[in-house]
Amino acid sequence: EVQLLESGGGLVQPGGSLRLSCAVSGFTFSSYAMSWVRQAPGKGLEWVSAISGSDGSTYYPDSVKGRFTISRDNSKNTLYLQMSSLRAEDTAVYYCAKALGSSTYSYFAYWGPGTLVTVSS
Amino acid sequence: DIVMTQSPDSLAVSLGERATINCKSSQSVLYSSNNKNYLGWYQQKPGQPPKLLIFWASTRESGVPDRFSGSGSGTDFTLTISSLQAEDVAVYYCQQYYNIPYTFGQGTKLEIK
Repeated sequence: EVQLLESGGGLVQPGGSLRLSCAVSGFTFSSYAMSWVRQAPGKGLEWVSAISGSDGSTYYPDSVKGRFTISRDNSKNTLYLQMSSLRAEDTAVYYCAKALGSSTYSYFAYWGPGTLVTVSS
Repeated sequence: DIVMTQSPDSLAVSLGERATINCKSSQSVLYSSNNKNYLGWYQQKPGQPPKLLIFWASTRESGVPDRFSGSGSGTDFTLTISSLQAEDVAVYYCQQYYNIPYTFGQGTKLEIK
């Protein structure tokens, strides 16, 4: 059974940093692309990063480029999102999501339950 | 960026009746080399992560009831629930995975009339 579980959320001050983790099980992690998707309170879904399962290429929207870094540790079956220079508008539930295959050009069939990040002084 | 626009923003339908949600992309999400539309539909209930319903615009995910169907091609897509059940109350999102950044529609809130 595919399982994804995020952790690392919490309260952080504006300008601060936070690292999210997503522990996975039930599939060969190294073979699959993964993404992070966030949802601000009461708002819609926003994709924030992806990493391929083949060569580890990474992708970001302009809203987080240069501030967020996605990475993976295939030996630990864990996906990460390093977030820096955090802003109030980064406040959201962050979900990790599994792609169809090694390419990031995929729908998201599996999602974790999410972890809440609150950026506030 | 490809902008995804859903209509309506909210919808109230009687139990057993048909619900239709539309999604329009600002550019085509049909990949000509494989003739696939890179379009998915998700259902999200309060306090839960999104759940995949439909991918490639019209392929139902395993375990999804057959009252859910997807149609359309190019830039115009539709999610249809043929006979609304109480458990279908949720927010529905379309998503394109044709181009980075991957983008979602703003969501359509479905309620019981």
